[in-house]
Amino acid sequence: IAGITQAPTSQILAAGRRMTLRCTQDMRHNAMYWYRQDLGLGLRLIHYSNTAGTTGKGEVPDGYSVSRANTDDFPLTLASAVPSQTSVYFCASSDRPGDYDEQFFGPGTRLTVL
Amino acid sequence: GQNIDQPTEMTATEGAIVQINCTYQTSGFNGLFWYQQHAGEAPTFLSYNVLDGLEEKGRFSSFLSRSKGYSYLLLKELQMKDSASYLCARLDSNYQLIWGAGTKLIIKP
Repeated sequence: IAGITQAPTSQILAAGRRMTLRCTQDMRHNAMYWYRQDLGLGLRLIHYSNTAGTTGKGEVPDGYSVSRANTDDFPLTLASAVPSQTSVYFCASSDRPGDYDEQFFGPGTRLTVL
Repeated sequence: GQNIDQPTEMTATEGAIVQINCTYQTSGFNGLFWYQQHAGEAPTFLSYNVLDGLEEKGRFSSFLSRSKGYSYLLLKELQMKDSASYLCARLDSNYQLIWGAGTKLIIKP
């Protein structure tokens, strides 16, 4: 593994179902982020984690939860999916949150909720 | 994005120069990033500015004016592979990135 991986690549999900998007990084970065990207809108931060064991809410956290049990993994869970959660989801990581800090992005998960 | 404005789409010719502008809310400003995103792919880092002035990196340069809440990305000697979306992002007072919607750049031969 080199960088950030996300799984699945794409998913079609029935409304009301629970879904976990996986994200793993091998760069030993402290911080990790989940964004959603919708047409015509910028990337919007859902949740973030500045270090293992801590998480925080971003701009659009409702309907999503995260955990950060270790440095490498940062799963995003949709407890009960709704059609408005149809989007492309990007996981990202950075080494030094709170400073000039380039974020590295995973390849994304395209999620469709019907 | 929150108070970040950039043009939706621009068209330029191969070999030419193009300037993509970005204006942003100045309160709680901690830096300005530019990322490139090819269609169907993840964003990748291009540049970072926190002080006024021009930062040059090969064919790409980025400019910042903190007092005016203004930045631009300058792309020289355009190549077809530069066709992509260019995302402007402001680092806010909580050190989180606030993203513009992106500028889709179309390069014509």
